[in-house]
Amino acid sequence: DIQMTQSPSTLSASVGDRVTITCRASQSISSWLAWYQQKPRKAPKLLIYKASSLESGVPSRFSGSGSGTEFTLTISSLQPDDFATYYCQQYNSWWTFGQGTKVEIK
Amino acid sequence: QVHLVESGGGVVQPGRSLRLSCAASGFTFSSYGMHWVRQAPGKGLEWVAVISYDGSNKYYADSVKGRFTISRDNSKSTLYLQMNSLRAEDTAVYYCAKNHSHMDVWGQGTTVTVSS
Repeated sequence: DIQMTQSPSTLSASVGDRVTITCRASQSISSWLAWYQQKPRKAPKLLIYKASSLESGVPSRFSGSGSGTEFTLTISSLQPDDFATYYCQQYNSWWTFGQGTKVEIK
Repeated sequence: QVHLVESGGGVVQPGRSLRLSCAASGFTFSSYGMHWVRQAPGKGLEWVAVISYDGSNKYYADSVKGRFTISRDNSKSTLYLQMNSLRAEDTAVYYCAKNHSHMDVWGQGTTVTVSS
């Protein structure tokens, strides 16, 4: 099974900050990676698919990069609505999620 | 507007069964595979099962294999998850999600609590 490891687990940041979350796969997944945002008591929301493709309607301050085993999600200027938990997910072989990164207010 | 609505959750004793449903609207249900994903209280997301667009292929996480069955009725645009021999560790919010390789649309979830 492919394991996904996110870092950090928690990130404290301020509005306007540039934020980067890393996701590492235990083996190569090419570009078969998605990022989701989840707010408390809400369903996950797709942000990025195929490592760097922005889902329709998602603000352009979100971007994804990487391939193989190392990936990043970047929020260029953190907004109040962005405080949430973010999950990466590989879909190269079955489906596996990272453990999540909580972005909290500094 | 693409919409997924889960139902059927509740409190159930260990060893008993429960069937979840996911009603789809706003897209051609019969053209897409569908997933079930769960989230235990305070924990991350765990993929549970997937079914192909026509129901001919089904795959399960090891944690539920042999106990859970995914199915669909394309005439009703509805996805199901039959959960048997439930355990305390199956307690979670269960989400259905539309498959596009990744999961592009999610329902709001239904809560299953396994407790005596």
